[in-house]
Amino acid sequence: KNQVEQSPQSLIILEGKNCTLQCNYTVSPFSNLRWYKQDTGRGPVSLTIMTFSENTKSNGRYTATLDADTKQSSLHITASQLSDSASYICVVSGGGATNKLIFGTGTLLAVQP
Amino acid sequence: DAGVIQSPRHEVTEMGQEVTLRCKPISGHNSLFWYRQTMMRGLELLIYFNNNVPIDDSGMPEDRFSAKMPNASFSTLKIQPSEPRDSAVYFCASSFGMTSGYNEQFFGPGTRLTVL
Repeated sequence: KNQVEQSPQSLIILEGKNCTLQCNYTVSPFSNLRWYKQDTGRGPVSLTIMTFSENTKSNGRYTATLDADTKQSSLHITASQLSDSASYICVVSGGGATNKLIFGTGTLLAVQP
Repeated sequence: DAGVIQSPRHEVTEMGQEVTLRCKPISGHNSLFWYRQTMMRGLELLIYFNNNVPIDDSGMPEDRFSAKMPNASFSTLKIQPSEPRDSAVYFCASSFGMTSGYNEQFFGPGTRLTVL
């Protein structure tokens, strides 16, 4: 069964600290993996998109990694800010004829002063 | 560009009533997606269109749900009759192209639906 699992479910860190969020998937075939940030009460916003051949991609203080062999991805946030408080969702595109998106349930991050 | 526009932003209705959610995708985008988000199940893809044609509606929960895209700039998601378990936030997203490669999806602000 195609699944995307994220850990931890929730995380509290102090402002200025780094953190890493994990994503494991069993989706096959695989087209690409995306990380989204969703602020409370708003729609998700894309942070990174990685295809099979890419193993790292950065977007400012956000760095995503992908290991297609072990089917794992991580999102590293450097020098966290209060505005990083949000839900982070890992999404895998399943390729094939319809390229269906499989969503993780997200990691809720709270950055405290 | 104003981004993806959804209306209404909030809808409260009684069980059994018909509900229609509306979406205007970003101009020039040819793929449109409807999602539902709940605390229990997270984000779920309901249906998506490419060039106004429904490509995959396997996520539509049951016959009470229907979606249309009469033209490139407008789509509706209809629930008839509505039930309390339909309460969720419904998102519309659009992209240029399908979900392969680097085609980025842009999400609207969502419609929060409450069915009493």
